[in-house]
Amino acid sequence: DAMVIQNPRYQVTQFGKPVTLSCSQTLNHNVMYWYQQKSSQAPKLLFHYYDKDFNNEADTPDNFQSRRPNTSFCFLDIRSPGLGDAAMYLCATSRTRSGNQPQHFGDGTRLSIL
Amino acid sequence: KQEVTQIPAALSVPEGENLVLNCSFTDSAIYNLQWFRQDPGKGLTSLLLIQSSQREQTSGRLNASLDKSSGRSTLYIAASQPGDSATYLCAVSLMEYGNKLVFGAGTILRVKS
Repeated sequence: DAMVIQNPRYQVTQFGKPVTLSCSQTLNHNVMYWYQQKSSQAPKLLFHYYDKDFNNEADTPDNFQSRRPNTSFCFLDIRSPGLGDAAMYLCATSRTRSGNQPQHFGDGTRLSIL
Repeated sequence: KQEVTQIPAALSVPEGENLVLNCSFTDSAIYNLQWFRQDPGKGLTSLLLIQSSQREQTSGRLNASLDKSSGRSTLYIAASQPGDSATYLCAVSLMEYGNKLVFGAGTILRVKS
């Protein structure tokens, strides 16, 4: 039973056309994370939510935004995608922000830019 | 700034061989270290989590060790099988607000039958 669900699995958009990626969780975890993973590279944290508290990484591009309307759902909005934004986007959750809590990942959304 | 390095970048072994994957990190101020498995086009599956106070964790044919003072971890896979073929990533949890993970780029493992 999937506990962190990402939709869609594959997303194609045009250069500059806004796109939204979705993540939902059935774990009732307080923290949700978004990572970007480019081909053959390490996943890189974009931002995370602790409950409704939004935390942006310093080097996250300005055209990336996120919304968390409730505990279960979190969205990644890319306002004006460029070719360099083509990547796998991974959503993860953890029970708390404590360092002894593992993160649980979804299957990711692979984003392609035409 | 924490940096995580994994060696080798790729490894090909015959079925049945025991193998070791290496992970090193530059800052020993970590909460924990996790090893993940990633199949092609998929997300990450957590394999083992070692708390900073622990030396090793075992799960089935997998054993992970942690030497925090030297900034190193190893993942030992016993009696490798073709189904073990995947990318293995290690990540450290930073001692700062947010349980942030810093990942290595991974080791691509291929087990030949």
